Amino acid sequence: TQLLEQSPQFLSIQEGENLTVYCNSSSVFSSLQWYRQEPGEGPVLLVTVVTGGEVKKLKRLTFQFGDARKDSSLHITAAQPGDTGLYLCAGAQGYGGATNKLIFGTGTLLAVQP
Amino acid sequence: SAVISQKPSRDICQRGTSLTIQCQVDSQVTMMFWYRQQPGQSLTLIATANQGSEATYESGFVIDKFPISRPNLTFSTLTVSNMSPEDSSIYLCSVSFFPDRVNEKLFFGSGTQLSVL
Repeated sequence: TQLLEQSPQFLSIQEGENLTVYCNSSSVFSSLQWYRQEPGEGPVLLVTVVTGGEVKKLKRLTFQFGDARKDSSLHITAAQPGDTGLYLCAGAQGYGGATNKLIFGTGTLLAVQP
Repeated sequence: SAVISQKPSRDICQRGTSLTIQCQVDSQVTMMFWYRQQPGQSLTLIATANQGSEATYESGFVIDKFPISRPNLTFSTLTVSNMSPEDSSIYLCSVSFFPDRVNEKLFFGSGTQLSVL
């Protein structure tokens, strides 16, 4: 069973602080996605990274795909209470066709205190 | 994007009964998925619901326990049968617009929080 391990599992920080969430695996993925989920809602896609070493920025969020496409990180600068939620990485295997093996990470629960 | 309506949003059920969860999408989609999630934890794929064919179940999930219907390209149901407290969880439906995993986007319903007494 392929696993995507996220760390930390829980994180509680003050508004304005920076943080990094890690997503690690021993498997290679064709692409990797990051989702954020708020209580009572489904996950919402934030970004997809495809190329090894790729870096994408979404306002205060910076996503990086590892060179070997086995790991990824999410860095949040100057966290806001609105960033609170469950962050999930998800790795895709395969490059086409009707595959359904999107593997979700173990999750990181972030709480940003005002 | 897609708007997904999932209902019920939550339910409390008695042991031994069954609950059917509905998922309605505002556009036609080829692939729909059903996931299970413990609060604050990761998602586990139950099955893939394809229109016109039987659902494909993941290891550990069987059709007798989680029968799925997919009568058309905008609707699916998941039934949790003969429920026990271990079935208490959040159930999420999801749709994919692109079977090509490189550019795939998943959209999720808001989930059904199920508690079994």
